[in-house]
Amino acid sequence: NAGVMQNPRHLVRRRGQEARLRCSPMKGHSHVYWYRQLPEEGLKFMVYLQKENIIDESGMPKERFSAEFPKEGPSILRIQQVVRGDSAAYFCASSPQSGQSNGQPQHFGDGTRLSIL
Amino acid sequence: ELKVEQNPLFLSMQEGKNYTIYCNYSTTSDRLYWYRQDPGKSLESLFVLLSNGAVKQEGRLMASLDTKARLSTLHITAAVHDLSATYFCAGSRANDMRFGAGTRLTVKP
Repeated sequence: NAGVMQNPRHLVRRRGQEARLRCSPMKGHSHVYWYRQLPEEGLKFMVYLQKENIIDESGMPKERFSAEFPKEGPSILRIQQVVRGDSAAYFCASSPQSGQSNGQPQHFGDGTRLSIL
Repeated sequence: ELKVEQNPLFLSMQEGKNYTIYCNYSTTSDRLYWYRQDPGKSLESLFVLLSNGAVKQEGRLMASLDTKARLSTLHITAAVHDLSATYFCAGSRANDMRFGAGTRLTVKP
C-alpha cells in the first residue's frame, strides 16, 4: 500500500499518560499535515511540517502538543499528559510539495482514534 | 483567517432526487477541494477546483466554483444509497487549508 500510513489505528491512554501518533507519508511526498477531528465535527488544522522543519503550527495547542518530521522515519504527533478532551480522531495528510500551490489534493491516512480513559 | 462554512450540515434525501450542498468561504482562497468521508474512514478526494467558473463532474456528483461570490457547490443528481457519507469542502491559501464542518448526507430508498 503506497498510501499515507498511520499507526496505531486505535490508541487508548489514561489521563496523564503520553500519546504518540505516527504518520508515514506517501512515497515521494515531503509535506505532512496533521488534523484533529472531534465527533460530529470537521477537521481542524493543527500543524504543517516538511522534513526536519515545522512550517506552520498555528493550529496546535502550545502546551502538551508537539510534532516532528525527522530526516529519517515517520512524522510523530506527541501529546503529553493527555486529558479527556484530547479524545478525537487524528488524521495525517501528505502532499508532494506545497499541495496548494500546484492544485494537488492532500492525501489522507486512515487516522488514529485516540481515547482517553 | 480563512473560514469555510457549509450548509446544510445534515441532509436526508430520497433516492432519485437532486440536491445541492453549498460551501462559502470568507477570504480569497487559492483552491477549493471537496472530500468524502465514510463513517470511521479517512477522507477521499473528490474534486479540486482551481479557478473561477471551474466545473467538474464525476458520476452523479458535480462541483462548481464561483470565486467572486466565494461559493462552491456540490450538486447531487438522482441520488443513490451509495452516496450516503459526509462531504467536506476545504479552501486553501498558501499552506493554510481550512475545512468546513461537513454535510452528513443520508440517502433513503
